[in-house]
Amino acid sequence: DADVTQTPRNRITKTGKRIMLECSQTKGHDRMYWYRQDPGLGLRLIYYSFDVKDINKGEISDGYSVSRQAQAKFSLSLESAIPNQTALYFCATSEPGDRGQETQYFGPGTRLLVL
Amino acid sequence: QKEVEQDPGPLSVPEGAIVSLNCTYSNSAFQYFMWYRQYSRKGPELLMYTYSSGNKEDGRFTAQVDKSSKYISLFIRDSQPSDSATYLCAMSITSGSARQLTFGSGTQLTVLP
Repeated sequence: DADVTQTPRNRITKTGKRIMLECSQTKGHDRMYWYRQDPGLGLRLIYYSFDVKDINKGEISDGYSVSRQAQAKFSLSLESAIPNQTALYFCATSEPGDRGQETQYFGPGTRLLVL
Repeated sequence: QKEVEQDPGPLSVPEGAIVSLNCTYSNSAFQYFMWYRQYSRKGPELLMYTYSSGNKEDGRFTAQVDKSSKYISLFIRDSQPSDSATYLCAMSITSGSARQLTFGSGTQLTVLP
C-alpha cells in the first residue's frame, strides 16, 4: 500500500461548490503539507501542519482551508470553488533528519477541474 | 522575479546522452538543495539532496551546487528512456521551525530510445 494516499484522484465540480480533498499517511510523520501544481508555476504551498494542533498558511492560502483530524489525516477544503482553482493538488509528509535535511514524500495527486 | 528559476524545456535527448538540468536562485539564504523527479500522473519523489557547495554523485546522477553563483545543476549520465520525467529543483531555508521548500517550475525531459 502507498504511504501517502489522496482521495479522490480526479474531481470535476462547478463554480461555487464546496469540495474536500483528503490525504492519509502511514509514514508516522508529524509534518504534512498541501501544494498545488500549475503548468509553468511549479509547486506552490497552500497550507502546512507540523502537528495536529499546528496549522500554518503557505504562499497561496486564500480560498482554501484545512483540517488536521489526526496525525495521519490532513484535509483541504475549497469552500466555494472557482475556475482558477483548477490544478493538480498534492499532499506531502516529512520529518526532520540529521543536519537539517528533510525529505518530503508526496501523494499521487488529485486532479481538480472547476467548471 | 521568482526566487527559483528553472528552464521548463521540454528537453529531448537520444538514449545514452549526458543531460544537464539547471536552476538559478536569488535568495542567498537557501542552504539545502534538492532535485525531485516526477513521472507523468505521479507525485514528485526525491532524487538527490545536497547541503553544501560542490558535487554529490549517486550512480548515473550528479548534483552540483555553486552558492557563489546561486546556481545548481543535475547531470544524468548514460540517459535512459526510463529517465523521461519532469525534474524539479527545490531549496529550503532554515527559518525557525518552518523549513519549507521553494520549488522551481520543473524541466520536462524525454529520452528517446
